[in-house]
Amino acid sequence: IQLTQSPSSLSASIGDRVTITCRASQTIRVHLNWYQQKLGKAPKLLISGTSNLQPGVPSRFSGSGSGTQFTLTISSLEPEDFATYFCHQTYNTPPEDTFGQGTRLEIK
Amino acid sequence: VQLQESGPGLAKPSETLSLTCTVAGGTISGGGHYWTWIRQQPEKGLEWIGYIYYTGSTYYNSALKSRVTMSLGASDNEFSLRLTSVTAADTAVYYCARVSTVQVGLEVIRHFDYWGQGTMVTVSS
Repeated sequence: IQLTQSPSSLSASIGDRVTITCRASQTIRVHLNWYQQKLGKAPKLLISGTSNLQPGVPSRFSGSGSGTQFTLTISSLEPEDFATYFCHQTYNTPPEDTFGQGTRLEIK
Repeated sequence: VQLQESGPGLAKPSETLSLTCTVAGGTISGGGHYWTWIRQQPEKGLEWIGYIYYTGSTYYNSALKSRVTMSLGASDNEFSLRLTSVTAADTAVYYCARVSTVQVGLEVIRHFDYWGQGTMVTVSS
Protein backbone atom coordinates (compact mmCIF):
# COMPACT_ATOMS: atom_id res chain seq x y z
CA ILE A 1 0.00 0.00 0.00
CA GLN A 2 1.51 3.32 -1.09
CA LEU A 3 0.93 6.51 0.88
CA THR A 4 1.27 9.84 -0.91
CA GLN A 5 1.47 13.02 1.14
CA SER A 6 0.74 16.46 -0.18
CA PRO A 7 2.24 18.90 -0.22
CA SER A 8 5.81 17.63 0.05
CA SER A 9 6.82 20.94 1.57
CA LEU A 10 4.91 23.90 2.91
CA SER A 11 5.80 27.38 4.10
CA ALA A 12 3.51 28.93 6.66
CA SER A 13 3.46 31.60 9.35
CA ILE A 14 2.88 31.48 13.09
CA GLY A 15 -0.86 31.39 13.70
CA ASP A 16 -1.73 29.89 10.30
CA ARG A 17 -4.05 26.94 9.89
CA VAL A 18 -2.29 24.13 8.03
CA THR A 19 -3.63 20.94 6.49
CA ILE A 20 -1.53 18.02 5.28
CA THR A 21 -3.11 15.29 3.19
CA CYS A 22 -2.22 11.60 3.00
CA ARG A 23 -3.72 9.43 0.26
CA ALA A 24 -3.54 5.64 0.30
CA SER A 25 -3.37 3.54 -2.87
CA GLN A 26 -6.16 1.34 -1.52
CA THR A 27 -8.51 1.49 1.40
CA ILE A 28 -6.90 1.32 4.82
CA ARG A 29 -10.15 2.11 6.66
CA VAL A 30 -8.87 4.05 9.74
CA HIS A 31 -5.47 2.35 10.09
CA LEU A 32 -3.49 5.58 9.78
CA ASN A 33 -1.10 7.28 12.18
CA TRP A 34 0.73 10.62 12.10
CA TYR A 35 4.23 11.39 13.38
CA GLN A 36 6.23 14.59 13.79
CA GLN A 37 9.99 14.53 13.28
CA LYS A 38 12.35 17.35 14.16
CA LEU A 39 15.85 17.56 12.75
CA GLY A 40 18.14 14.92 14.19
CA LYS A 41 15.43 13.42 16.37
CA ALA A 42 13.29 10.30 16.29
CA PRO A 43 9.72 10.60 15.05
CA LYS A 44 7.12 11.36 17.70
CA LEU A 45 3.64 9.87 17.56
CA LEU A 46 0.98 12.59 17.33
CA ILE A 47 -2.17 10.78 16.26
CA SER A 48 -3.10 7.09 16.10
CA GLY A 49 -6.05 5.45 14.42
CA THR A 50 -6.73 8.49 12.19
CA SER A 51 -7.98 10.82 14.93
CA ASN A 52 -6.80 9.77 18.40
CA LEU A 53 -4.58 12.45 19.86
CA GLN A 54 -1.73 11.08 21.94
CA PRO A 55 -1.48 12.21 25.58
CA GLY A 56 0.47 15.42 25.85
CA VAL A 57 -0.01 16.42 22.21
CA PRO A 58 -1.58 19.89 21.97
CA SER A 59 -5.20 20.08 20.93
CA ARG A 60 -4.34 22.29 17.95
CA PHE A 61 -3.41 19.02 16.21
CA SER A 62 -6.25 16.97 14.78
CA GLY A 63 -6.69 14.14 12.31
CA SER A 64 -9.55 12.96 10.17
CA GLY A 65 -10.44 10.75 7.24
CA SER A 66 -11.13 7.15 6.34
CA GLY A 67 -10.68 4.79 3.43
CA THR A 68 -8.04 6.34 1.20
CA GLN A 69 -7.91 10.02 2.19
CA PHE A 70 -6.71 11.44 5.47
CA THR A 71 -5.76 14.84 6.81
CA LEU A 72 -3.64 16.23 9.61
CA THR A 73 -4.63 19.74 10.62
CA ILE A 74 -2.78 22.20 12.82
CA SER A 75 -5.30 24.86 13.76
CA SER A 76 -2.86 27.64 14.70
CA LEU A 77 0.84 27.15 14.11
CA GLU A 78 3.24 27.57 16.98
CA PRO A 79 7.03 27.95 16.54
CA GLU A 80 7.66 24.40 17.78
CA ASP A 81 5.44 22.91 15.06
CA PHE A 82 7.96 23.50 12.28
CA ALA A 83 9.09 19.98 11.50
CA THR A 84 8.52 17.12 9.07
CA TYR A 85 5.30 15.14 9.31
CA PHE A 86 4.81 11.53 8.22
CA CYS A 87 1.70 9.42 7.82
CA HIS A 88 1.93 5.66 8.47
CA GLN A 89 -0.47 2.85 7.60
CA THR A 90 -0.71 -0.41 9.53
CA TYR A 91 -3.68 -1.95 7.73
CA ASN A 92 -2.42 -5.30 6.52
CA THR A 93 -2.31 -8.56 8.42
CA PRO A 94 0.26 -10.01 8.14
CA PRO A 95 1.87 -6.59 8.48
CA GLU A 96 3.33 -4.70 5.55
CA ASP A 97 3.54 -1.21 7.03
CA THR A 98 4.40 1.80 4.91
CA PHE A 99 5.03 5.49 5.50
CA GLY A 100 4.29 8.55 3.43
CA GLN A 101 7.27 10.40 2.02
CA GLY A 102 6.89 13.23 4.50
CA THR A 103 5.76 16.85 4.48
CA ARG A 104 8.31 19.45 5.52
CA LEU A 105 6.69 22.41 7.26
CA GLU A 106 8.85 25.53 7.20
CA ILE A 107 8.53 29.03 8.53
CA LYS A 108 7.52 31.62 5.94
CA VAL B 1 9.53 3.36 28.64
CA GLN B 2 12.81 4.25 26.96
CA LEU B 3 14.50 2.46 24.08
CA GLN B 4 18.15 2.64 23.06
CA GLU B 5 19.75 1.26 19.92
CA SER B 6 23.35 0.08 19.95
CA GLY B 7 25.78 -1.49 17.54
CA PRO B 8 28.61 -0.71 15.15
CA GLY B 9 28.25 2.52 13.22
CA LEU B 10 30.15 1.17 10.24
CA ALA B 11 29.74 -1.97 8.15
CA LYS B 12 31.55 -3.10 5.01
CA PRO B 13 29.66 -4.06 1.87
CA SER B 14 28.54 -7.71 1.86
CA GLU B 15 28.92 -7.96 5.65
CA THR B 16 26.18 -8.45 8.25
CA LEU B 17 24.81 -5.51 10.22
CA SER B 18 23.82 -6.33 13.81
CA LEU B 19 21.98 -3.96 16.14
CA THR B 20 20.46 -4.33 19.59
CA CYS B 21 17.58 -2.43 21.16
CA THR B 22 17.56 -2.17 24.94
CA VAL B 23 14.30 -1.34 26.69
CA ALA B 24 14.34 0.54 29.99
CA GLY B 25 11.33 1.01 32.24
CA GLY B 26 9.65 -2.11 30.95
CA THR B 27 10.24 -5.59 29.60
CA ILE B 28 9.82 -7.16 26.19
CA SER B 29 7.30 -9.68 27.53
CA GLY B 30 5.34 -7.19 29.64
CA GLY B 31 2.13 -5.80 28.21
CA GLY B 32 1.87 -8.04 25.18
CA HIS B 33 3.50 -5.57 22.81
CA TYR B 34 5.11 -6.13 19.49
CA TRP B 35 8.46 -4.41 18.98
CA THR B 36 9.74 -3.06 15.71
CA TRP B 37 12.68 -1.75 13.68
CA ILE B 38 12.40 1.16 11.25
CA ARG B 39 15.12 2.85 9.21
CA GLN B 40 15.57 6.21 7.54
CA GLN B 41 18.04 6.63 4.71
CA PRO B 42 19.79 10.01 4.52
CA GLU B 43 17.40 12.81 3.56
CA LYS B 44 14.68 10.22 2.87
CA GLY B 45 11.56 8.84 4.43
CA LEU B 46 10.91 6.05 6.85
CA GLU B 47 10.98 2.35 6.00
CA TRP B 48 9.46 -0.31 8.22
CA ILE B 49 11.77 -3.32 8.63
CA GLY B 50 9.85 -5.78 10.79
CA TYR B 51 8.03 -6.75 13.98
CA ILE B 52 8.91 -9.18 16.75
CA TYR B 53 6.59 -10.41 19.50
CA TYR B 54 7.70 -11.45 22.97
CA THR B 55 7.12 -15.06 21.93
CA GLY B 56 9.71 -14.61 19.20
CA SER B 57 7.29 -14.62 16.29
CA THR B 58 8.26 -12.19 13.55
CA TYR B 59 6.95 -10.35 10.51
CA TYR B 60 9.27 -8.73 7.98
CA ASN B 61 9.04 -6.21 5.18
CA SER B 62 8.76 -8.32 2.05
CA ALA B 63 11.40 -6.18 0.32
CA LEU B 64 13.97 -7.04 3.01
CA LYS B 65 12.71 -10.44 4.12
CA SER B 66 15.50 -12.47 2.52
CA ARG B 67 18.16 -10.53 4.44
CA VAL B 68 16.51 -9.71 7.79
CA THR B 69 16.38 -11.62 11.05
CA MET B 70 14.92 -10.21 14.25
CA SER B 71 15.41 -12.05 17.53
CA LEU B 72 14.93 -11.71 21.26
CA GLY B 73 17.89 -11.06 23.49
CA ALA B 74 19.22 -13.09 26.37
CA SER B 75 17.50 -10.79 28.82
CA ASP B 76 13.86 -9.74 28.80
CA ASN B 77 14.72 -6.18 27.85
CA GLU B 78 16.56 -6.65 24.56
CA PHE B 79 15.79 -7.52 20.98
CA SER B 80 18.03 -7.50 17.94
CA LEU B 81 18.22 -6.94 14.22
CA ARG B 82 20.50 -8.70 11.74
CA LEU B 83 20.71 -7.56 8.14
CA THR B 84 22.92 -9.61 5.84
CA SER B 85 24.75 -8.77 2.62
CA VAL B 86 24.59 -5.03 3.21
CA THR B 87 25.22 -2.46 0.50
CA ALA B 88 25.49 1.32 0.46
CA ALA B 89 21.70 1.39 0.11
CA ASP B 90 21.47 0.10 3.69
CA THR B 91 23.19 3.22 5.02
CA ALA B 92 20.57 4.74 7.30
CA VAL B 93 19.55 5.74 10.79
CA TYR B 94 18.05 2.66 12.40
CA TYR B 95 15.33 3.08 15.02
CA CYS B 96 13.68 0.59 17.35
CA ALA B 97 10.21 1.27 18.69
CA ARG B 98 7.38 -0.20 20.73
CA VAL B 99 4.15 -1.15 19.01
CA SER B 100 0.87 -0.41 20.76
CA THR B 101 -2.72 -0.62 19.61
CA VAL B 102 -5.78 1.59 19.78
CA GLN B 103 -9.34 0.49 19.15
CA VAL B 104 -11.51 2.58 16.86
CA GLY B 105 -14.95 1.01 16.64
CA LEU B 106 -14.29 -2.58 15.63
CA GLU B 107 -10.84 -1.77 14.25
CA VAL B 108 -7.62 -2.33 16.16
CA ILE B 109 -4.88 -0.06 14.88
CA ARG B 110 -1.16 -0.60 15.47
CA HIS B 111 1.08 2.40 16.01
CA PHE B 112 4.59 3.13 17.28
CA ASP B 113 4.34 4.99 20.56
CA TYR B 114 7.88 4.90 21.96
CA TRP B 115 11.01 5.24 19.84
CA GLY B 116 14.72 5.00 20.46
CA GLN B 117 16.89 7.97 19.52
CA GLY B 118 18.24 6.10 16.50
CA THR B 119 21.69 4.91 15.51
CA MET B 120 23.45 5.82 12.28
CA VAL B 121 24.93 2.93 10.32
CA THR B 122 27.15 3.64 7.35
CA VAL B 123 27.99 0.93 4.83
CA SER B 124 31.33 1.66 3.23
CA SER B 125 34.56 -0.10 2.44
